[in-house]
Amino acid sequence: DTEVTQTPKHLVMGMTNKKSLKCEQHMGHRAMYWYKQKAKKPPELMFVYSYEKLSINESVPSRFSPECPNSSLLNLHLHALQPEDSALYLCASSPPAVLWHEQYFGPGTRLTVT
Amino acid sequence: AQSVTQLGSHVSVSEGALVLLRCNYSSSVPPYLFWYVQYPNQGLQLLLKYTTGATLVKGINGFEAEFKKSETSFHLTKPSAHMSDAAEYFCAVTLQGGSEKLVFGKGMKLTVNP
Repeated sequence: DTEVTQTPKHLVMGMTNKKSLKCEQHMGHRAMYWYKQKAKKPPELMFVYSYEKLSINESVPSRFSPECPNSSLLNLHLHALQPEDSALYLCASSPPAVLWHEQYFGPGTRLTVT
Repeated sequence: AQSVTQLGSHVSVSEGALVLLRCNYSSSVPPYLFWYVQYPNQGLQLLLKYTTGATLVKGINGFEAEFKKSETSFHLTKPSAHMSDAAEYFCAVTLQGGSEKLVFGKGMKLTVNP
């Protein structure tokens, strides 16, 4: 299984809602990432988890809250988002002890904040 | 800090023609270099990577790239374009050893005309 799955595929939420994005991989990867991608732009790194511990937070606003319950699962909890947070949210993972290279990306969750 | 430059934002080729997507990097230490492809409404897929060793790297779908240290380049080529190659292509760099985050170029949209 060389796949990273993300749910939901699409999400529309109001500015007062609380929602969560989910990412799962069963490749034994111990590094997992959240990226945000606006239209016609490259992905921007948000968070990195290494061995289930948050290792990098790229100064992301607190309305985004990541969680890594176990080595296969990564969540992104969303609360009180702004319309400018509308984007494609990508999850990625990479093999044990090898950060950054050979990142496997999921298909993304397209988020619209109304 | 390392960086990559993808000049222009759009390349258009005819089906069967050569595909050439340019990428130049800047790094004070030996880099690891990558090409990712993103099809519409999908996540990123690793096409190929250069870490060490052979400078001509072959990837999936008939793509290849050559690492040229003297020119600080890592251009992506494919001898004969296919309609299914239409996508966004991102060049990315990290430091050798993978100790720094992946830095993406701004991307290049490839259109293939029949």
